[in-house]
Amino acid sequence: GAGVSQSPSNKVTEKGKDVELRCDPISGHTALYWYRQRLGQGLEFLIYFQGNSAPDKSGLPSDRFSAERTGESVSTLTIQRTQQEDSAVYLCASSLDGNTIYFGEGSWLTVV
Amino acid sequence: GQSLEQPSEVTAVEGAIVQINCTYQTSGFYGLSWYQQHDGGAPTFLSYNALDGLEETGRFSSFLSRSDSYGYLLLQELQMKDSASYFCAVRGGVGFQKLVFGTGTRLLVSP
Repeated sequence: GAGVSQSPSNKVTEKGKDVELRCDPISGHTALYWYRQRLGQGLEFLIYFQGNSAPDKSGLPSDRFSAERTGESVSTLTIQRTQQEDSAVYLCASSLDGNTIYFGEGSWLTVV
Repeated sequence: GQSLEQPSEVTAVEGAIVQINCTYQTSGFYGLSWYQQHDGGAPTFLSYNALDGLEETGRFSSFLSRSDSYGYLLLQELQMKDSASYFCAVRGGVGFQKLVFGTGTRLLVSP
């Protein structure tokens, strides 16, 4: 597609429920990133995928968080047993060269 | 690991020039990037410096000094629409593949 597409754009969920966030990167971009941004805060790295290499999961905050990517296509970020501190916008980005990354509009998650 | 420091907030008036500084620490260096983020919006790429010196793109310029582990973003002829947060970033992690962002500088432009 023309840009990075994320869905849902907004999600309100009850504490303890699982949520799945989807990211469709720019076609041809081999690198895909997930970041979390709490209100008024910076960008917190979560996970990075590059082609068929093992992903860099070093930023995942707990084992409740997991992510998958199908080849060089769609990625899903799953948060199990959501907690109120998970409320944030989850930003996906993709890149061809690793120096310029293009962000989607984000999935705004509110845990109530 | 990597760490980047930026001022938390900068204020300026329309038409002025403002400089946003970034100092970084990283075990390996693959360039310094700058991103702009308006409230409620996604970060967007502004510039990338791999080598020392000044890169100019319209009203925005970015500077890098690798020996000082320092860079800055220069915004000229400020407009109200430039009010946003600005993040510097370097590559880090295993293989230096992930982009690590600074804490961000909030720029407030007043009339």
